Amino acid sequence: GENVEQHPSTLSVQEGDSAVIKCTYSDSASNYFPWYKQELGKGPQLIIDIRSNVGEKKDQRIAVTLNKTAKHFSLHITETQPEDSAVYFCAASRGYGNKLVFGAGTILRVKS
Amino acid sequence: NAGVTQTPKFQVLKTGQSMTLQCAQDMNHEYMSWYRQDPGMGLRLIHYSVGAGITDQGEVPNGYNVSRSTTEDFPLRLLSAAPSQTSVYFCASSPETRQGDTEAFFGQGTRLTVV
Repeated sequence: GENVEQHPSTLSVQEGDSAVIKCTYSDSASNYFPWYKQELGKGPQLIIDIRSNVGEKKDQRIAVTLNKTAKHFSLHITETQPEDSAVYFCAASRGYGNKLVFGAGTILRVKS
Repeated sequence: NAGVTQTPKFQVLKTGQSMTLQCAQDMNHEYMSWYRQDPGMGLRLIHYSVGAGITDQGEVPNGYNVSRSTTEDFPLRLLSAAPSQTSVYFCASSPETRQGDTEAFFGQGTRLTVV
């Protein structure tokens, strides 16, 4: 089955700096790659997603890149703010049934 | 719209007891699923459903049962609780679309402790 690895497990940055989180996946049939943000005591919330027919997607300060050949995808957050502090999860699915396989998560701390 | 509603928010069970975690969505989504979240392991899929009357196992189904008699509800049953089932449980729903999987909406979670 699919296996998703996520790095780093914790990331501390200064406010205004960029943050990058990387994930690799094993199943070449995976074609949907969402990123979720989870705040303390809450359920995960989608921040951006990308499909396998696209190499890059951007939404304001957040961007995701996908390299299908290498089976890895990355989340880029620019101009980080204290409210970006949270746990971030990458995930992968084969595109039907939304059977997501998650990475272990990255704790992002933005220091002001 | 309430979105995805899970009850209860907190629960303590004794080993061997059974209980049902409730999940309801009001967005008319076809897909619903249950995940458990353990420290350092992300979320793992327990069971999922692609429509009323259709359920299937995920990555960690042992010790859990589900049913989907309506589009709105997807309860998760613990048959005989064990300490290893201490976790935070999340229910999620998402629509079926032509382009494939899309945003999953998660509930607020149920924190379950088995003693």
